[in-house]
Amino acid sequence: AQKITQTQPGMFVQEKEAVTLDCTYDTSDPSYGLFWYKQPSSGEMIFLIYQGSYDQQNATEGRYSLNFQKARKSANLVISASQLGDSAMYFCAMAASGGYNKLIFGAGTRLAVHP
Amino acid sequence: GAGVSQSPSNKVTEKGKDVELRCDPISGHTALYWYRQSLGQGLEFLIYFQGNSAPDKSGLPSDRFSAERTGGSVSTLTIQRTQQEDSAVYLCASSLGRGRAANEQFFGPGTRLTVL
Repeated sequence: AQKITQTQPGMFVQEKEAVTLDCTYDTSDPSYGLFWYKQPSSGEMIFLIYQGSYDQQNATEGRYSLNFQKARKSANLVISASQLGDSAMYFCAMAASGGYNKLIFGAGTRLAVHP
Repeated sequence: GAGVSQSPSNKVTEKGKDVELRCDPISGHTALYWYRQSLGQGLEFLIYFQGNSAPDKSGLPSDRFSAERTGGSVSTLTIQRTQQEDSAVYLCASSLGRGRAANEQFFGPGTRLTVL
């Protein structure tokens, strides 16, 4: 069975510092995708970044980067130069192989950015 | 362009009543997903539609839950004989459904369902 584990229920970081949000996954499928979504207090789910299991390089999107360690089955999100607007819930998710027809989500990490 | 829209934004109902939740995906998106988010929890997959293929209903928690997608666009999630444990935010998402772009699911604002 596929599973996503986020072990940090809450994290805080000083503005302008970098922060790493942990995510480990479990799957027996050789082909899978890993995602990070941000959910601010407004409730919307905002796509941040995607990493495919066969991608050779770690994904980056602006201030977001994904530290993909396949052997360790980890896909940590790194946010550089944190901003107050980064305060939100962050969810790691995985898509199964065979067409990526659904996302399996972790429990989430609440990030608070302090001025 | 317009994003995924859902209606109603909030729904309060009494235990035992039926409810219908609506989702309008992004135009041109062939894949449509329903998820449920209970208070303080992550999202739980419910059902997935892709074009004209048979939907993946593997996440529906009971036979009280059903969904349909008419004309490959609008989808309705129906919960019959609602129970208090059905209270949650129901989120709809859509994606292009093919190629690498299928990886990005665009979410709607959700419908907050409260069963009294």
